[in-house]
Amino acid sequence: GAGVSQSPSNKVTEKGKDVELRCDPISGHTALYWYRQSLGQGLEFLIYFQGNSAPDKSGLPSDRFSAERTGGSVSTLTIQRTQQEDSAVYLCASSPQNRYGYTFGSGTRLTVV
Amino acid sequence: DQQVKQNSPSLSVQEGRISILNCDYTNSMFDYFLWYKKYPAEGPTFLISISSIKDKNEDGRFTVFLNKSAKHLSLHIVPSQPGDSAVYFCAASDGTGGFKTIFGAGTRLFVKA
Repeated sequence: GAGVSQSPSNKVTEKGKDVELRCDPISGHTALYWYRQSLGQGLEFLIYFQGNSAPDKSGLPSDRFSAERTGGSVSTLTIQRTQQEDSAVYLCASSPQNRYGYTFGSGTRLTVV
Repeated sequence: DQQVKQNSPSLSVQEGRISILNCDYTNSMFDYFLWYKKYPAEGPTFLISISSIKDKNEDGRFTVFLNKSAKHLSLHIVPSQPGDSAVYFCAASDGTGGFKTIFGAGTRLFVKA
C-alpha cells in the first residue's frame, strides 16, 4: 500500500487477556519501528526491526511484550496478560534502510478495562 | 532520563503571527533533528529536519534553528494558520540503532482565527 497500515485501529480488551497488534509497512522499507504514546506522554520507543531481525528491543517495557516480523514486511506486536497501564496508542513506523525520518501509521488505540 | 525535552505543553498564537516551538536535548551525540506534526487520530507526519552541521533550515513557512552549544532547537512557523493547530514533536537521532529516533513529549499548538 501507499502508507503504513495498522490494525485494528481501536481495541478494547479485558485485563489479563492477550492482544496482537499488526503493522503493514510501506513496501520496500527495510526498517520498522514500534512506539507507544500513553495519555499525555510523548512517543516511547519500543522496538526496532531491520529486515526480520530486531537488533534493538531495549524499549520493551516487560517480558509480556514481544514482537516479530516475517518476510521483511508485516510485523506483529503481542502483549500478553494485558494490564491497565498498557493502555496507549501503539504506533508503527517504517523507513528505507539507513535513513532518518519515518513514515508513521495511524496507530492502534488500546484500552485495557 | 529525557534526552529530548519540550517544556511547553501548549502554545496559543493568533492567526498570521509567528509560532515558536522550543526543544532542548541532552545527548551531544545527536547529529540529526526532526520535527513531526500530529493531528488527532492520525500518526505523526514528518515536517522538517536539520543536520547538526547546519544551524538553520527553511521550508516555506517553516524554519528550524539549531544552537548546538546550547543544545537547543526551535521551530518557527510564519505566518501561523488555523490549519497548523496540532501537536508538534521534536525528535533527535545519533544515527545508531537503525537510526532510532528519540521523541519529546510534544507541544500542542493552537492557532486562533
